[in-house]
Amino acid sequence: QQQVKQSPQSLIVQKGGISIINCAYENTAFDYFPWYQQFPGKGPALLIAIRPDVSEKKEGRFTISFNKSAKQFSLHIMDSQPGDSATYFCAATYNAGNMLTFGGGTRLMVKP
Amino acid sequence: GAGVSQSPSNKVTEKGKDVELRCDPISGHTALYWYRQRLGQGLEFLIYFQGNSAPDKSGLPSDRFSAERTGESVSTLTIQRTQQEDSAVYLCASSLAGRGRELFFGEGSRLTVL
Repeated sequence: QQQVKQSPQSLIVQKGGISIINCAYENTAFDYFPWYQQFPGKGPALLIAIRPDVSEKKEGRFTISFNKSAKQFSLHIMDSQPGDSATYFCAATYNAGNMLTFGGGTRLMVKP
Repeated sequence: GAGVSQSPSNKVTEKGKDVELRCDPISGHTALYWYRQRLGQGLEFLIYFQGNSAPDKSGLPSDRFSAERTGESVSTLTIQRTQQEDSAVYLCASSLAGRGRELFFGEGSRLTVL
């Protein structure tokens, strides 16, 4: 089953705090794990992505941590800002696949 | 335009009517995808087009759903005999050939079936 399970469904963080969103997958053939950010009324946009040959990737305040043995990966948002308030989707795919399998999404609210 | 364009942005229809949703991909993008997003939920894959290859229709939920694409341009998603459970935002995305993993999404068409 090509499933990606995401948690939590919603998250409230104070400004300056760390937001952590977790995803778990089952298909060991997955070899690409992107995160998408979606603001209300807009389509999702690619935020950051990782391949399983590295355990961590950092871009600015956003970091993906990847645990291949546990089949889990997570997004960390450091120094969270109100402008980060959005819905975040993890996803996964593999070479032979034509589309991304998305997690259920996490609605993040960063309070000022 | 510079991005993926979808129309209409909002559509309200009565149960049993047919609807047609349109997607204009980014110029030069050979791959085109349709996803469905129900309220508060994740993105559900519907169909994928890549160049002149046969489309991957594995995500279409029923035979009431169909999609076409002319060459590497506009795509239309048609839903026949709409049902209330079809109410959702229908998102179109496009990508470059060989880089099908970075999807560029439109803002979606919000369909409400009364």
